[in-house]
Parts: sequence; C-alpha cells; structure tokens
Amino acid sequence: EPEVTQTPSHQVTQMGQEVILRCVPISNHLYFYWYRQILGQKVEFLVSFYNNEISEKSEIFDDQFSVERPDGSNFTLKIRSTKLEDSAMYFCASSEAGYTQYFGPGTRLTVL
Amino acid sequence: GENVEQHPSTLSVQEGDSAVIKCTYSDSASNYFPWYKQELGKGPQLIIDIRSNVGEKKDQRIAVTLNKTAKHFSLHITETQPEDSAVYFCATPTGNQFYFGTGTSLTVIP
Repeated sequence: EPEVTQTPSHQVTQMGQEVILRCVPISNHLYFYWYRQILGQKVEFLVSFYNNEISEKSEIFDDQFSVERPDGSNFTLKIRSTKLEDSAMYFCASSEAGYTQYFGPGTRLTVL
Repeated sequence: GENVEQHPSTLSVQEGDSAVIKCTYSDSASNYFPWYKQELGKGPQLIIDIRSNVGEKKDQRIAVTLNKTAKHFSLHITETQPEDSAVYFCATPTGNQFYFGTGTSLTVIP
C-alpha cells in the first residue's frame, strides 16, 4: 500500500539554524500539507499546497517558514531561523482530491 | 477560523464495551468530517470519515454520526479491544485548512 514517507525521523539543530524537512507524498496525490504537533497537544495545520502554490496557511506559518515541491516527488518544509518554540513533531500529509489525507510518520524537530 | 471542541479528553472502558467521542464545530459550511487514530510515536491514521450529505457511516466496529443542525459529529467504537487504545482526533476543514480537535486518549482495559 502506498504511504507518505518523511526524512529525517529526528532532527536536532541549534537555535537560529535553518532546517529542511523532507516528505515524499503518495505518487498520484495532488494536495500536500504540513502540520505540527507540540508534545501532548493537538495537531495544528501549517500550510496546504496545490498546483505548485500555497492554497492556505495558518497564522503559525509566518515568514520563517516556506514550502517547496522541487521535483515531481518531494515536498519540503524549510524553517529559516529556528526558535526554541519550533520544537515539535512535523507531519506531512497528502491527498488525492483534497479530502482524505494520509499522514507520514513525522519528523521530530528538537531546537537547542 | 473554525473552532473544534472534542470531549472527553480521556476515556477508559472495559474491553468489549463501547466508546463514544464527540466533537462540535463552529463553521456551518464545513462539509467533511474525518476521525484519526494516533498511536504513540506515529502519525495520525485516518480510520473513518463522513461527508455532510450523509448522517451516519459504519465500518465494522467503527461508526461516525453527523448532526449538521447541531454542528456535532461523534465517533462510536463498539466491542472495544486493547489495540483500540490510542489518541483519537476529530477534524474538519474550512476551505483547504484543516482544524483538529484536542484529542481523546482512549484506554481499553483488558
């Protein structure tokens, strides 16, 4: 069964550094999403991406964040200058038609 | 934006009993209502979803009911098993932005 994959599984970085989180969505899906989940809390929407552009973004997704689909398979989330409060699990999801979403296993980001 | 509230935050049931988790939402235009199961250290996994033109949907031991007038939808798990123990999240979109509930930690006691 096709699945969403994410790399790395755990990323440790120093405050102020840039990080790039990578995702490979399911191949025939057209909608892509990033979410974050702070430990023990709910899943929070960051951004949705369709037709090579951002379709929605939340208040969390400020100028420090960007997304890109650099080729036909990868979908990346970049955080330009990480802050301590960016420490969280980051989940990528993809959807064929914008409803049913399939989530990846997540990347745990730790900012020191 | 959408406001999704989920209750209860924790739920313990005896194996074989039923579990019910409820979510309310604020945007009357919402038309899609998924439920996700999240096991420790893993990503959310879709277990069932319902569109706004349907009042109830069942898949074996799992069912979701929707009341659009009251703006709430519920997850029902019958004949619970220990492997049902996990955190369950409801969600609903406004546009292409998905809002999740605060989660329910379900423990099924053998």
